[in-house]
Amino acid sequence: LAKTTQPISMDSYEGQEVNITCSHNNIATNDYITWYQQFPSQGPRFIIQGYKTKVTNEVASLFIPADRKSSTLSLPRVSLSDTAVYYCLVGDPSGTYKYIFGTGTRLKVLA
Amino acid sequence: NAGVTQTPKFQVLKTGQSMTLQCAQDMNHEYMSWYRQDPGMGLRLIHYSVGAGITDQGEVPNGYNVSRSTTEDFPLRLLSAAPSQTSVYFCASSYSSLGEYKDEQYFGPGTRLTVT
Repeated sequence: LAKTTQPISMDSYEGQEVNITCSHNNIATNDYITWYQQFPSQGPRFIIQGYKTKVTNEVASLFIPADRKSSTLSLPRVSLSDTAVYYCLVGDPSGTYKYIFGTGTRLKVLA
Repeated sequence: NAGVTQTPKFQVLKTGQSMTLQCAQDMNHEYMSWYRQDPGMGLRLIHYSVGAGITDQGEVPNGYNVSRSTTEDFPLRLLSAAPSQTSVYFCASSYSSLGEYKDEQYFGPGTRLTVT
C-alpha cells in the first residue's frame, strides 16, 4: 500500500511561514498529491492538491519537485486557528482507489 | 446540499452486539469510503466503493461489512462489536473515482462509537 512519511509534530509562532514536507517514494505516475487539515472532533478538510511543480490557492501553496517523491505544504503567516493535524495523501500505486492516510503532522501555533 | 451526513453521532454498544452506521451524500458522488480514527491516531481505511454495487476492502476491513445499493448511501455494518472497535468513524465521498484525476474527498462529521 502507498505510504507517506511526515514529521509527527511542529511548533510555530503566529505570523510565521510553516513548511511541512511529506515523503511518498512510491507514488504512482498518474497520481495526485492531496493535503488535508483536521481539527479536533471534526472530519478532515481538503486544503490543496497538485501533480507537479507548484500550486497555490487562497490558503496554501504546494511544492512538488520533478521526481515527485516528496511534497511540501506551505502555510503563509499562520495564526492560532491553523493549529491542527495536517495529512498528505496519495493513492495506492497498484492503481486501485485506496487512499491511505499517514500519521499526519500535528502543528501547534503559539502566540 | 447537505453534503455527507452520518447517523448516529454517538453510540454505545455492548460486546457482541451488531449495528449499522449510516452514511449518505447528496452530491451524486461515485466514490465513498469509511475510515476509523482511534484517539490520537491517524485515519485508517476500512472499506471503499467506486460506485453502486462495487465495494472493496481497505487497510482494516475485518469485523465490518459494507454494501452500496444506491449512489447516495454507503452503510457500514459491525457484525459483532468488540472493544477494539471503539473509535470515531468517518465517512467520505468524492466525485470522480475513475481516471487520473481524483477529486477531493468530503468528510462527514463522524460517529463516535464506544464498545463496552
